[in-house]
Amino acid sequence: DSGVTQTPKHLITATGQRVTLRCSPRSGDLSVYWYQQSLDQGLQFLIQYYNGEERAKGNILERFSAQQFPDLHSELNLSSLELGDSALYFCASSSSGGGLEQYFGPGTRLTVT
Amino acid sequence: KNEVEQSPQNLTAQEGEFITINCSYSVGISALHWLQQHPGGGIVSLFMLSSGKKKHGRLIATINIQEKHSSLHITASHPRDSAVYICAVSPRETSGSRLTFGEGTQLTVNP
Repeated sequence: DSGVTQTPKHLITATGQRVTLRCSPRSGDLSVYWYQQSLDQGLQFLIQYYNGEERAKGNILERFSAQQFPDLHSELNLSSLELGDSALYFCASSSSGGGLEQYFGPGTRLTVT
Repeated sequence: KNEVEQSPQNLTAQEGEFITINCSYSVGISALHWLQQHPGGGIVSLFMLSSGKKKHGRLIATINIQEKHSSLHITASHPRDSAVYICAVSPRETSGSRLTFGEGTQLTVNP
């Protein structure tokens, strides 16, 4: 158990809908990262937050947004969902802003029908 | 061309065999990570290294910064080692500490 929690574990929704994925980092970790793993693209970095502020942005679509709250949990919002958004979404945390080991949550499996 | 390349893509071994998975990268890095992804999907960090060699149980990871190459070795492989092994790097020139991933190596160890 990495200490990183993600909810829900599974999510099935229809095209055009909006969902929110939640992540709670390890106790004391200030950085949260979001990654997407799809069959055709593999694992890709989406976005990083550090102590409530956006630190780095990767291949995140404009339909997606994220935030980190004062209690350090983070949410990833996915809107106007398309079939291609079906993927595993991982959250990871680390204690600092960069260069340290990341601890992965169990992931949320999103299926868009 | 991907910034991180792994080989082989698939590897089948018999229990007890010595296994090597290779990773090459094309960017300057602050660290290289080896991850293990189980069939259920969960990802576990095995090693993070920026130089030399690290060992944990039957797993050994090495890195050659000059050649931009890393290897993951598994000694005395066991069926429970069956998983996808993913090499990832923290590129030095980027802000934050995003990981860039290889495509993974699917390892199957038969009893």
